[in-house]
Amino acid sequence: GENVEQHPSTLSVQEGDSAVIKCTYSDSASNYFPWYKQELGKRPQLIIDIRSNVGEKKDQRIAVTLNKTAKHFSLHITETQPEDSAVYFCAASRGQNFVFGPGTRLSVLP
Amino acid sequence: EAQVTQNPRYLITVTGKKLTVTCSQNMNHEYMSWYRQDPGLGLRQIYYSMNVEVTDKGDVPEGYKVSRKEKRNFPLILESPSPNQTSLYFCASSPREAGLEQYFGPGTRLTVT
Repeated sequence: GENVEQHPSTLSVQEGDSAVIKCTYSDSASNYFPWYKQELGKRPQLIIDIRSNVGEKKDQRIAVTLNKTAKHFSLHITETQPEDSAVYFCAASRGQNFVFGPGTRLSVLP
Repeated sequence: EAQVTQNPRYLITVTGKKLTVTCSQNMNHEYMSWYRQDPGLGLRQIYYSMNVEVTDKGDVPEGYKVSRKEKRNFPLILESPSPNQTSLYFCASSPREAGLEQYFGPGTRLTVT
């Protein structure tokens, strides 16, 4: 079955710097790759997603890139702010079968 | 207000005592899923449903049952809970037309002693 790895597990950046989180997946049939943000004590919320027929997608300060050949995808957050501090999860899916990475705890230091 | 609801939000129970966690969505979504979240392991999918009476196993289905008799409801059943099922559980739904974005419920924290 699908296996998703995510790195780093923790990441600290200074406010205003960029943050990059990387994920790899194993199943070449996976075709949808969402990223979720989870604040402490709250539910996961989708922040950006990308489909396998697209190489890059951007939404304001957030971007995701996908390399299907290498089976990896990355989340890029620019101009980080303290409210970006949270746990971020990547996921890979084929249809409705979702496999999530273990998460990255991002801390943005003021 | 469009939402996914779960009940109960918190539950402490004993080994072997059957329990049901309810999940309901008011967005007319076709797809629904159950996940468990454990520290360091992320979210792991237990079961998912593509439509009424259509369910399939996720990655960690052992010890769980689900049913989808109505489009809006997707209960999670633990017939004989064990301590290793202590976890935070999330229900999620998504619409078929708009792609695969999942809307998560608020979570149910279950402790099995």
